[in-house]
Amino acid sequence: GQNIDQPTEMTATEGAIVQINCTYQTSGFNGLFWYQQHAGEAPTFLSYNVLDGLEEKGRFSSFLSRSKGYSYLLLKELQMKDSASYLCAVRDPGGYQKVTFGTGTKLQVIP
Amino acid sequence: NAGVTQTPKFQVLKTGQSMTLQCAQDMNHEYMSWYRQDPGMGLRLIHYSVGAGITDQGEVPNGYNVSRSTTEDFPLRLLSAAPSQTSVYFCASSRSGSTDTQYFGPGTRLTVL
Repeated sequence: GQNIDQPTEMTATEGAIVQINCTYQTSGFNGLFWYQQHAGEAPTFLSYNVLDGLEEKGRFSSFLSRSKGYSYLLLKELQMKDSASYLCAVRDPGGYQKVTFGTGTKLQVIP
Repeated sequence: NAGVTQTPKFQVLKTGQSMTLQCAQDMNHEYMSWYRQDPGMGLRLIHYSVGAGITDQGEVPNGYNVSRSTTEDFPLRLLSAAPSQTSVYFCASSRSGSTDTQYFGPGTRLTVL
């Protein structure tokens, strides 16, 4: 199975940079996803890492270290609309490639 | 494309009632899944399907049934609702490739009294 840990809540200032960490202990690994979920809405895809290193996509970057079971999501130039929950999810290997989600980190961006 | 659609958006049931949550996708995705989301618990997999006619249980299948007669539709049935099934339910679909993400429907907020 998978065990995924993320901080429950974080607060950051508009215009700043914030790093949201995710650690996992898994019986198998075939990639790690980050999703954004605004209150009352569905999760939407942000990033996918399967190899070690940094993936950059505009203001958002995601890093993975498979040997350490560690990932982070980096949000730059924070905007008020970035206030949301950020879900880390690990994919199992195998035919269906089941995805296990962490409980999410609720980020509040303040002026 | 409409993407993934779910109906109803809100539902209130009494204990013991049955109902079906509808999910449809128009992206020709092979994989479809049902999750429930509860405070502090994250998204938990209820049932999933890897293609028409093929379904399997996820992490929390008890009290729920599914079927997949077409590629597009994946309904979730509650046979006898219980207060423990009060939750937000999300349907998701994806292609079968290893890098493909899931696309989520807007969710159904269910309350069982």
